[in-house]
Formats: sequence, C-alpha cells, structure tokens
Amino acid sequence: EIVLTQSPGTLSLSPGERATLSCRASQSVTSNYLAWYRQKPGQAPRLLIYGASSRATGIPDRFSGSGSGTDFTLTISRLEPEDFAVYYCQQYGSSPWTFGQGTEVEIK
Amino acid sequence: EVQLVESGGGLVQPGGSLRLSCAASGFTFSLYEMNWVRQAPGKGLEWISYISGSDNTIYYADSVKGRFTISRDNAKNSLYLQMNSLRAEDTAVYYCARKRIQDYWGQGTLVTVSS
Repeated sequence: EIVLTQSPGTLSLSPGERATLSCRASQSVTSNYLAWYRQKPGQAPRLLIYGASSRATGIPDRFSGSGSGTDFTLTISRLEPEDFAVYYCQQYGSSPWTFGQGTEVEIK
Repeated sequence: EVQLVESGGGLVQPGGSLRLSCAASGFTFSLYEMNWVRQAPGKGLEWISYISGSDNTIYYADSVKGRFTISRDNAKNSLYLQMNSLRAEDTAVYYCARKRIQDYWGQGTLVTVSS
C-alpha cells in the first residue's frame, strides 16, 4: 500500500497570499495518478487536480499541480476566501487507492 | 447535470448489516467506474471500494475486505455497498464518487455503529 504524507499539517495564510502544499508518497505513484481535493466544512470533497497537473472541469487557474514519482505539490497562487479549507492528495494508480491525511489552510 | 444521491445510512448495532445505495443521474452510468469513500467524524478521507463500469474489476481496502461488497445495477443507474459484520470503527459518512479520479461526489450518508 502506498502511504501519502502531506505537509504541513496546517498552513496559516492571509487572503491573496500564495499557498504551497506538499504530498510525498512512500513509493512511486503509477503513471503519476495523483489527485488533489478541497473539502469545505460540511461538504463533500471537490476534485481540483488529477494526473498530478491537470485541472478538473471548472477549476480556476489559480490552482496548479506539479511533481512526479514520489513528490507532488499543489500551489494556490492567490488565496480566495473559499480556499480556506482542508486539502487532500490521493493516489489512484495502484490498489488500494490511498489518501493523505490532509492539510488545513486556515486564515491567519 | 451529474447527480449522485446516497441513501440507506442509519444506526446499526455492532455485528449488524446495512446496505447503502447511490442513485446516479445526468450521465450514462454504465460507462463509468464508481467508488465508495468514507470519512469518520472529524477525520480524513478513506477510499474503501471501486467497481468498473462492467463490474468485472473490483477492489477493496484491507479494512473492509471480506465484510463489504460493492455492486451495481446499470439498468437502475444504481451503485450499492453491502456492509456486514459492522464495527464501531465503520462509523462514518459514506460517499459514492464517480470515476477513478472521483470527479463527482454525492452528499454522503451517515452510518453509525453503536449499541
């Protein structure tokens, strides 16, 4: 099973600032099948990025994903109020699919 | 518009069974892979099961293997999760999600396992 470790656990930033979230895998992610999700309180997760760097339908270009192999990054160029939430990475390249433990982006 | 609506959650005693359903609309259900993902109260996301469009490929997380069974009825545009031998640690909101990349999610249904 591939273990995903997200860092930091919590990121305290102000609106308009840049956020950089990390996801590290215990072994190489098959075909870079790595996704990022945002989850707001009381809501289902929403897909942001798939295939490590492809934006999902309707996702604004302030979200970008990068990385390959075992190291992946989600960057939010300018934080909007709705971006203060919890973010999860997930690998779906080899069963069992696994999620990271999450990074909370909170308002500073 | 893609819609996924889960149902069937509730309170069940340890050792009991429950069957969750996910009604799909707004897309050709038979062409899409589906997943179940759960989230314990205040915790992170846990993927638990996947089924291909033709249901000839099925995967489970180790935590539910042998106790949960995923299935689908393409004629009814529905996904199911049969949960047996339930434990307290199965208490969670259960989501169905479309495709391997989980591009659409339902609103979830709460399962509480408690005596």
